[in-house]
Formats: sequence, structure tokens, C-alpha cells
Amino acid sequence: AQKITQTQPGMFVQEKEAVTLDCTYDTSDPSYGLFWYKQPSSGEMIFLIYQGSYDQQNATEGRYSLNFQKARKSANLVISASQLGDSAMYFCAMRGGNQFYFGTGTSLTVIP
Amino acid sequence: DAGVIQSPRHEVTEMGQEVTLRCKPISGHNSLFWYRQTMMRGLELLIYFNNNVPIDDSGMPEDRFSAKMPNASFSTLKIQPSEPRDSAVYFCASSPSYSYGYTFGSGTRLTVV
Repeated sequence: AQKITQTQPGMFVQEKEAVTLDCTYDTSDPSYGLFWYKQPSSGEMIFLIYQGSYDQQNATEGRYSLNFQKARKSANLVISASQLGDSAMYFCAMRGGNQFYFGTGTSLTVIP
Repeated sequence: DAGVIQSPRHEVTEMGQEVTLRCKPISGHNSLFWYRQTMMRGLELLIYFNNNVPIDDSGMPEDRFSAKMPNASFSTLKIQPSEPRDSAVYFCASSPSYSYGYTFGSGTRLTVV
């Protein structure tokens, strides 16, 4: 069973605008962690943001924020004030126990 | 902190040859993971270790693949014999147990011709 679903294969956003990348997950564990990674064209995987299942507030890291809606099992990434350097693949992931599941990714292109 | 170090960065080899990929995790991280990334299949977890012990190798595609972690600072992923369909980027990642996320290495881009 697929644990992480990213339904947007590709997204475009105008520079300086905000963009939301969707992610839904499936788990029956009460304790889990949700993550977003960025993979630019150079290929490395860069950790962006983390949300724990018991965290009451949405995680934020600079221009990144995670819109965590536990009842809907969604963990959308919001990037504010998009920059050209934000163009990359973005992967949503979930950790439950010793298992780690990645989504199929969303390709984001920032348009000047 | 030097991060997760993988070598080589690029490897081109002929079909049938043995390939060994290497990984040095972040000091103090006791979980280590090997992933394979292809366009067709995305990121696939091959195997992971906790405290140098293999916990789950169900993602290893076949017997041609083997992984070892002889100590806390070194792991290898070996493919013998290699085949063209093994061409992919292989990532190593490490994590403190039950903590945040992984830290990934820069990956090894393997091409088998």
C-alpha cells in the first residue's frame, strides 16, 4: 500500500509568488514524522522541513512551512516568495518506526 | 561535520564487472540506509542498518546485490555481476535513531554499459 501520495507531477510558479506542493499520507501509527526534501538538478537530496505527528503547531523553516492537517492526513509544503533557485524536485516523506516512505515527487519550475 | 560521504561520485563499468559503492555516515548516527533512484521507479529503499546490523533488506533486488556495515563508520554496497539495468543513482543516508530525517550523501551515479 502506498504510504505517501504526491499528486502533482509538475508545478509552475511565478517568481516571488507563493506555491503549495501537496502531500497526503497513510498510516495507522500514532507516532510518525513527516519530511520534505528538495532535489535540485545537481542531484543531491536536501532536507527542508520536519513535522512530528504530535506537534501542535505547523513547522516553519525560513520561507518553507508545512501545512499539517492531521485529520485529513495531509502535509503540504508551502514555499513563500519563490526564487529561481527553488526550481527542483520536491519529495514528501514519512517515517514511522524504522520505515521510511518517499512520494514520487513534484517538479517545481519557478518562472522569472 | 562533513556530512555523509559517498564514493565514487561517478562509476562507469562494463556489464559483468563487480561494482562496490562506499559510504561513510555522519559520526554518531546509528542508522544507515541505501537507496536507489531511477526515473522509472523513483527512490527505492534497498537496505538499512541499525547499529551496524541489517534490519531490513527486502528491497535488495536480487542476490547480485549485497551490503555490509563492518563498523559504525563504513558501509559498502556491492553488485556482482553488474547489469545495464542496475544503472541508477545510489544514495546512502544516515540518521540518529528515531530522530528527524535522513541526511543524504551526494550519491553515486552508476552506469553499466
